[in-house]
Amino acid sequence: GAVVSQHPSRVICKSGTSVKIECRSLDFQATTMFWYRQFPKKSLMLMATSNEGSKATYEQGVEKDKFLINHASLTLSTLTVTSAHPEDSSFYICSASSYGFNTEAFFGQGTRLTVV
Amino acid sequence: AQKITQTQPGMFVQEKEAVTLDCTYDTSDQSYGLFWYKQPSSGEMIFLIYQGSYDEQNATEGRYSLNFQKARKSANLVISASQLGDSAMYFCAMREQDSGAGSYQLTFGKGTKLSVIP
Repeated sequence: GAVVSQHPSRVICKSGTSVKIECRSLDFQATTMFWYRQFPKKSLMLMATSNEGSKATYEQGVEKDKFLINHASLTLSTLTVTSAHPEDSSFYICSASSYGFNTEAFFGQGTRLTVV
Repeated sequence: AQKITQTQPGMFVQEKEAVTLDCTYDTSDQSYGLFWYKQPSSGEMIFLIYQGSYDEQNATEGRYSLNFQKARKSANLVISASQLGDSAMYFCAMREQDSGAGSYQLTFGKGTKLSVIP
């Protein structure tokens, strides 16, 4: 299957700082990338959908000014958690797919963010 | 109403036995896709199997098969000959028609934690 690389896998940051998470599709062009957040022992909650070259579409309740998403190319999307707070500590995971209904969504390895 | 329902928070299975993980879904779309993913403790999501709503045959991928009952809106995952490495969280997901965001989002169930007993 296709490969999606997410970096970093773990990050610890201080409250008030910003953290950038990268999601790269290594061997295919990802027209769409999705960002999910997962709380311990819970399902994945979609945060936002980004299409290459356009603004991300955020799910209800997700602060777009806090979770900045950039999808500047067909192989890279970034999620920046701005002014991080301890309650932002979570597991963030991206997925990427090329256009098409029956295409599989490939997931990155996830990033465990801890804000202290 | 929940779009994806996984009623089994946790399941145990003896090694080498088969196990069925339940998944029911709710959609008014005629065209949709159903996915199963495995999430080990490391956190990565591993694609297992896909079933399209118009596929007449049940999907199979190695030891994984999907018992698709369209009228009952169920898409249960069957794992045959369980192995210790199968211990993980398993998520059922559905992709519906374009939600309007120009993409096809996945909606996930709450997951089932499978534990394989030696």
